[in-house]
Amino acid sequence: QKEVEQDPGPLSVPEGAIVSLNCTYSNSAFQYFMWYRQYSRKGPELLMYTYSSGNKEDGRFTAQVDKSSKYISLFIRDSQPSDSATYLCAMSGVQGAQKLVFGQGTRLTINP
Amino acid sequence: NAGVTQTPKFRVLKTGQSMTLLCAQDMNHEYMYWYRQDPGMGLRLIHYSVGEGTTAKGEVPDGYNVSRLKKQNFLLGLESAAPSQTSVYFCASSYGGAGTEAFFGQGTRLTVV
Repeated sequence: QKEVEQDPGPLSVPEGAIVSLNCTYSNSAFQYFMWYRQYSRKGPELLMYTYSSGNKEDGRFTAQVDKSSKYISLFIRDSQPSDSATYLCAMSGVQGAQKLVFGQGTRLTINP
Repeated sequence: NAGVTQTPKFRVLKTGQSMTLLCAQDMNHEYMYWYRQDPGMGLRLIHYSVGEGTTAKGEVPDGYNVSRLKKQNFLLGLESAAPSQTSVYFCASSYGGAGTEAFFGQGTRLTVV
């Protein structure tokens, strides 16, 4: 069983839809939860960052962490074609080097 | 500001050949990382470094070696390439450890035939 599970999709939705991306994890030591966005043939870029449980909102993006269920989500409101990318969840513990554990990534396409 | 730069961007190797991938960062970051990305597998950590002169193994270190002789550079070596090492390799750096943002390079697409 992988430490972090993410549905690889692909996911295709119409422009303006609300998108929900999710990851589950098994390691209760994870405290830092991140979402990276990766455009085709590019390196990942940090999109959202959350420490421990709770919600965080940044414009059209909302990240949620439920540590009791070991479940994290990323919501995209009013999705745009420019949101088309692969979204990777990533998480790490609190000690030492940042050894991020990534999910498999979900490939998202927003259709105009 | 260049950020994290990887060289080369593409490479085709024959089985058994060796090569070195170079990663350079200009952000004065202490931490540097090498990942590989394969379809359906996400990003997996190969080796990492917490400072100049230090290296440590990640999740999938076999068949790779690394060196961090200068703070700004992190080299990934393949001594005897195998088809299983066909992948996209990403270098990343961060100013601190756990919980800090990792900045990624643009990737190196390596094919071993």
